[in-house]
Amino acid sequence: RKEVEQDPGPFNVPEGATVAFNCTYSNSASQSFFWYRQDCRKEPKLLMSVYSSGNEDGRFTAQLNRASQYISLLIRDSKLSDSATYLCVVPHSGAGSYQLTFGKGTKLSVIP
Amino acid sequence: DADVTQTPRNRITKTGKRIMLECSQTKGHDRMYWYRQDPGLGLRLIYYSFDVKDINKGEISDGYSVSRQAQAKFSLSLESAIPNQTALYFCATSDPLSYEQYFGPGTRLTVT
Repeated sequence: RKEVEQDPGPFNVPEGATVAFNCTYSNSASQSFFWYRQDCRKEPKLLMSVYSSGNEDGRFTAQLNRASQYISLLIRDSKLSDSATYLCVVPHSGAGSYQLTFGKGTKLSVIP
Repeated sequence: DADVTQTPRNRITKTGKRIMLECSQTKGHDRMYWYRQDPGLGLRLIYYSFDVKDINKGEISDGYSVSRQAQAKFSLSLESAIPNQTALYFCATSDPLSYEQYFGPGTRLTVT
């Protein structure tokens, strides 16, 4: 299994729809996980952190399934401004390195 | 003002030329990183530094070198640029106790 794997999409959804992205990871020792958002030609920015079973922030919910080694991101009531690429990120901390492994991203387009 | 800045923002250079990309940060973080991003390949780590005296190779360091001139400055050099180094380059910083990384706006480099 690749270290971090995401469906590249694109996901084209209408405004108001609910959309979910999945991400699988190979490092079973990872304890925390992240979703970053990247707008076209811009830098990635942290969207959500997931340290236990899940995290919710407004319309965004991130869930973790350790047994199956996957993380999901659910976006409810999609807005046009949600259009972006969503990066699944898994740390690996061998020898205190605190490095991040980035997935290739899932592209979301919210359509009027 | 942006916390992490990169110069130049765009650069076109010819094969064989030496080029330096610069990164400065005002977040007071000890840890700094250089990544490159290619379409379909995601973000890949080139080099990282945990303090001024610490430099570490990342996943794809061949053809690159770095210099950590101060806590706030981390430069990436291409000694002899080649066309497959055409990419979007990001600098990032992080706090020692956190996995969250803060990215600069990126430098778009084209090697002809």
